[in-house]
Amino acid sequence: GNSVTQMEGPVTLSEEAFLTINCTYTATGYPSLFWYVQYPGEGLQLLLKATKADDKGSNKGFEATYRKETTSFHLEKGSVQVSDSAVYFCALRANQGGKLIFGQGTELSVKP
Amino acid sequence: DTAVSQTPKYLVTQMGNDKSIKCEQNLGHDTMYWYKQDSKKFLKIMFSYNNKELIINETVPNRFSPKSPDKAHLNLHINSLELGDSAVYFCASSPGGGGAIYEQYFGPGTRLTVT
Repeated sequence: GNSVTQMEGPVTLSEEAFLTINCTYTATGYPSLFWYVQYPGEGLQLLLKATKADDKGSNKGFEATYRKETTSFHLEKGSVQVSDSAVYFCALRANQGGKLIFGQGTELSVKP
Repeated sequence: DTAVSQTPKYLVTQMGNDKSIKCEQNLGHDTMYWYKQDSKKFLKIMFSYNNKELIINETVPNRFSPKSPDKAHLNLHINSLELGDSAVYFCASSPGGGGAIYEQYFGPGTRLTVT
Protein backbone atom coordinates (compact mmCIF):
# COMPACT_ATOMS: atom_id res chain seq x y z
CA GLY A 1 0.00 0.00 0.00
CA ASN A 2 0.92 3.67 -0.13
CA SER A 3 2.98 5.10 2.70
CA VAL A 4 5.18 8.04 3.70
CA THR A 5 8.18 7.97 6.01
CA GLN A 6 9.76 11.10 7.49
CA MET A 7 12.83 11.58 9.57
CA GLU A 8 12.10 11.54 13.24
CA GLY A 9 12.15 14.67 15.30
CA PRO A 10 12.39 16.78 17.17
CA VAL A 11 14.91 18.74 15.12
CA THR A 12 16.52 21.67 16.91
CA LEU A 13 18.44 24.28 14.94
CA SER A 14 19.89 27.70 15.53
CA GLU A 15 18.52 30.64 13.58
CA GLU A 16 19.99 30.91 10.04
CA ALA A 17 20.98 27.24 9.97
CA PHE A 18 20.30 25.04 6.95
CA LEU A 19 17.31 22.74 7.23
CA THR A 20 16.70 19.36 5.65
CA ILE A 21 13.78 17.14 6.59
CA ASN A 22 13.89 13.82 4.79
CA CYS A 23 10.78 12.26 3.30
CA THR A 24 10.49 9.06 1.30
CA TYR A 25 7.38 7.42 -0.04
CA THR A 26 5.99 4.18 -1.37
CA ALA A 27 3.19 4.41 -3.90
CA THR A 28 1.74 2.77 -6.94
CA GLY A 29 1.12 4.97 -9.93
CA TYR A 30 1.97 8.64 -9.94
CA PRO A 31 1.02 10.36 -6.71
CA SER A 32 1.21 14.05 -5.96
CA LEU A 33 3.45 15.05 -3.05
CA PHE A 34 2.88 17.74 -0.47
CA TRP A 35 4.45 19.38 2.53
CA TYR A 36 2.08 20.74 5.13
CA VAL A 37 3.04 22.79 8.18
CA GLN A 38 1.24 22.94 11.52
CA TYR A 39 2.09 25.87 13.77
CA PRO A 40 1.42 25.43 17.49
CA GLY A 41 -2.28 25.29 18.25
CA GLU A 42 -3.31 25.67 14.61
CA GLY A 43 -4.55 23.56 11.72
CA LEU A 44 -2.51 22.40 8.76
CA GLN A 45 -1.43 24.76 6.03
CA LEU A 46 -0.14 23.73 2.65
CA LEU A 47 3.51 24.73 2.36
CA LEU A 48 4.32 23.43 -1.11
CA LYS A 49 3.48 20.68 -3.56
CA ALA A 50 4.73 18.82 -6.63
CA THR A 51 2.51 16.84 -8.92
CA LYS A 52 4.96 15.00 -11.16
CA ALA A 53 8.52 13.72 -11.23
CA ASP A 54 11.29 16.37 -11.22
CA ASP A 55 8.84 19.12 -10.24
CA LYS A 56 10.17 21.48 -7.60
CA GLY A 57 7.74 22.99 -5.15
CA SER A 58 8.76 26.18 -3.36
CA ASN A 59 7.24 28.65 -0.93
CA LYS A 60 8.49 31.00 1.82
CA GLY A 61 12.09 29.94 1.18
CA PHE A 62 11.30 26.24 1.47
CA GLU A 63 11.91 23.88 -1.45
CA ALA A 64 11.33 20.22 -2.23
CA THR A 65 11.95 18.26 -5.44
CA TYR A 66 9.90 15.23 -6.49
CA ARG A 67 12.51 12.51 -7.10
CA LYS A 68 10.92 9.43 -8.59
CA GLU A 69 14.19 7.52 -8.88
CA THR A 70 14.79 7.76 -5.12
CA THR A 71 11.08 8.03 -4.16
CA SER A 72 11.91 11.10 -2.10
CA PHE A 73 10.58 14.60 -1.47
CA HIS A 74 13.02 16.14 1.01
CA LEU A 75 12.21 19.57 2.43
CA GLU A 76 15.00 22.17 2.52
CA LYS A 77 15.46 25.75 3.60
CA GLY A 78 18.69 27.66 3.41
CA SER A 79 18.26 29.82 6.52
CA VAL A 80 15.62 29.04 9.12
CA GLN A 81 13.98 31.58 11.40
CA VAL A 82 12.46 31.25 14.85
CA SER A 83 9.07 31.68 13.21
CA ASP A 84 9.62 28.44 11.26
CA SER A 85 9.23 26.45 14.47
CA ALA A 86 6.35 24.06 13.76
CA VAL A 87 5.53 20.46 12.88
CA TYR A 88 6.11 19.59 9.22
CA PHE A 89 4.19 16.82 7.49
CA CYS A 90 5.09 15.14 4.24
CA ALA A 91 2.09 13.66 2.44
CA LEU A 92 1.15 11.93 -0.74
CA ARG A 93 -2.11 11.82 -2.58
CA ALA A 94 -2.83 9.03 -4.98
CA ASN A 95 -5.70 9.03 -7.40
CA GLN A 96 -7.83 6.52 -5.54
CA GLY A 97 -10.33 8.71 -3.75
CA GLY A 98 -7.87 11.49 -3.18
CA LYS A 99 -7.12 10.88 0.48
CA LEU A 100 -3.89 12.28 1.85
CA ILE A 101 -1.48 9.81 3.41
CA PHE A 102 0.74 11.55 5.92
CA GLY A 103 4.14 10.86 7.34
CA GLN A 104 4.46 10.93 11.09
CA GLY A 105 5.42 14.59 11.22
CA THR A 106 8.74 16.20 12.17
CA GLU A 107 8.82 18.82 14.88
CA LEU A 108 11.22 21.67 14.18
CA SER A 109 12.40 24.01 16.90
CA VAL A 110 14.52 27.02 15.91
CA LYS A 111 16.43 28.82 18.68
CA PRO A 112 17.56 32.44 18.44
CA ASP B 1 -14.18 34.89 5.43
CA THR B 2 -12.83 31.66 6.95
CA ALA B 3 -12.39 29.04 4.24
CA VAL B 4 -12.93 25.88 6.31
CA SER B 5 -14.47 26.32 9.72
CA GLN B 6 -15.18 23.84 12.49
CA THR B 7 -17.25 24.05 15.64
CA PRO B 8 -16.59 23.66 18.43
CA LYS B 9 -12.85 24.31 18.75
CA TYR B 10 -12.70 22.48 22.07
CA LEU B 11 -15.00 19.74 23.32
CA VAL B 12 -14.70 18.12 26.72
CA THR B 13 -17.16 15.36 27.54
CA GLN B 14 -17.58 12.19 29.54
CA MET B 15 -17.36 8.60 28.40
CA GLY B 16 -20.57 7.25 26.99
CA ASN B 17 -21.89 10.59 25.74
CA ASP B 18 -22.84 11.37 22.14
CA LYS B 19 -21.38 14.46 20.49
CA SER B 20 -21.19 16.14 17.11
CA ILE B 21 -18.58 18.27 15.37
CA LYS B 22 -19.61 20.53 12.53
CA CYS B 23 -17.62 21.57 9.48
CA GLU B 24 -18.39 24.11 6.80
CA GLN B 25 -16.42 25.27 3.79
CA ASN B 26 -17.13 28.35 1.69
CA LEU B 27 -14.65 27.51 -1.07
CA GLY B 28 -17.17 25.87 -3.39
CA HIS B 29 -15.27 22.58 -3.19
CA ASP B 30 -16.87 19.28 -4.09
CA THR B 31 -14.98 17.02 -1.71
CA MET B 32 -14.70 17.10 2.07
CA TYR B 33 -12.75 14.96 4.55
CA TRP B 34 -12.39 14.12 8.20
CA TYR B 35 -8.96 13.33 9.64
CA LYS B 36 -7.98 12.29 13.15
CA GLN B 37 -4.73 13.46 14.76
CA ASP B 38 -3.64 11.44 17.76
CA SER B 39 -1.52 12.52 20.71
CA LYS B 40 1.68 11.78 18.77
CA LYS B 41 0.55 14.12 15.97
CA PHE B 42 -0.11 11.24 13.56
CA LEU B 43 -2.82 12.12 11.03
CA LYS B 44 -5.13 9.56 9.48
CA ILE B 45 -8.06 9.83 7.09
CA MET B 46 -11.43 8.79 8.45
CA PHE B 47 -14.01 9.71 5.83
CA SER B 48 -14.43 11.54 2.57
CA TYR B 49 -17.53 12.83 0.79
CA ASN B 50 -17.85 14.03 -2.77
CA ASN B 51 -21.01 15.98 -3.55
CA LYS B 52 -22.73 14.52 -0.50
CA GLU B 53 -21.77 10.95 -1.35
CA LEU B 54 -19.46 8.87 0.81
CA ILE B 55 -16.35 7.88 -1.16
CA ILE B 56 -13.85 6.95 1.55
CA ASN B 57 -14.68 5.10 4.72
CA GLU B 58 -11.56 3.89 6.45
CA THR B 59 -11.55 1.36 9.23
CA VAL B 60 -13.34 3.50 11.75
CA PRO B 61 -15.67 2.21 14.50
CA ASN B 62 -19.30 2.50 13.47
CA ARG B 63 -19.82 4.76 16.49
CA PHE B 64 -18.53 7.44 14.11
CA SER B 65 -21.08 8.57 11.55
CA PRO B 66 -20.47 11.36 9.07
CA LYS B 67 -23.34 13.32 7.58
CA SER B 68 -23.26 15.68 4.64
CA PRO B 69 -26.49 17.70 4.31
CA ASP B 70 -25.04 19.58 1.33
CA LYS B 71 -21.67 19.80 -0.33
CA ALA B 72 -20.58 22.72 1.84
CA HIS B 73 -21.08 20.85 5.11
CA LEU B 74 -19.70 17.65 6.58
CA ASN B 75 -20.55 16.87 10.16
CA LEU B 76 -19.18 14.11 12.37
CA HIS B 77 -21.34 12.46 14.96
CA ILE B 78 -19.78 10.20 17.59
CA ASN B 79 -21.85 7.84 19.74
CA SER B 80 -20.86 6.31 23.06
CA LEU B 81 -17.60 8.21 23.36
CA GLU B 82 -14.55 6.33 24.65
CA LEU B 83 -11.30 7.53 26.19
CA GLY B 84 -9.44 6.53 23.01
CA ASP B 85 -11.52 8.96 20.98
CA SER B 86 -9.61 11.84 22.55
CA ALA B 87 -7.77 13.50 19.68
CA VAL B 88 -7.82 16.51 17.41
CA TYR B 89 -10.24 16.13 14.50
CA PHE B 90 -9.59 18.06 11.32
CA CYS B 91 -12.00 18.75 8.53
CA ALA B 92 -10.63 19.46 5.05
CA SER B 93 -11.93 20.20 1.58
CA SER B 94 -10.59 20.11 -1.96
CA PRO B 95 -11.79 20.94 -5.45
CA GLY B 96 -12.45 18.32 -8.07
CA GLY B 97 -13.55 14.78 -7.45
CA GLY B 98 -10.62 13.82 -5.31
CA GLY B 99 -7.96 13.93 -8.01
CA ALA B 100 -4.38 13.68 -6.88
CA ILE B 101 -3.19 17.07 -8.06
CA TYR B 102 -5.46 19.13 -5.85
CA GLU B 103 -4.34 20.21 -2.41
CA GLN B 104 -6.61 20.03 0.57
CA TYR B 105 -7.55 22.97 2.75
CA PHE B 106 -7.80 22.25 6.44
CA GLY B 107 -9.95 23.66 9.19
CA PRO B 108 -8.49 24.77 12.54
CA GLY B 109 -9.31 21.47 14.24
CA THR B 110 -11.53 20.38 17.11
CA ARG B 111 -9.76 19.13 20.21
CA LEU B 112 -11.93 16.41 21.75
CA THR B 113 -11.16 15.30 25.29
CA VAL B 114 -13.07 12.38 26.73
CA THR B 115 -12.88 11.98 30.52
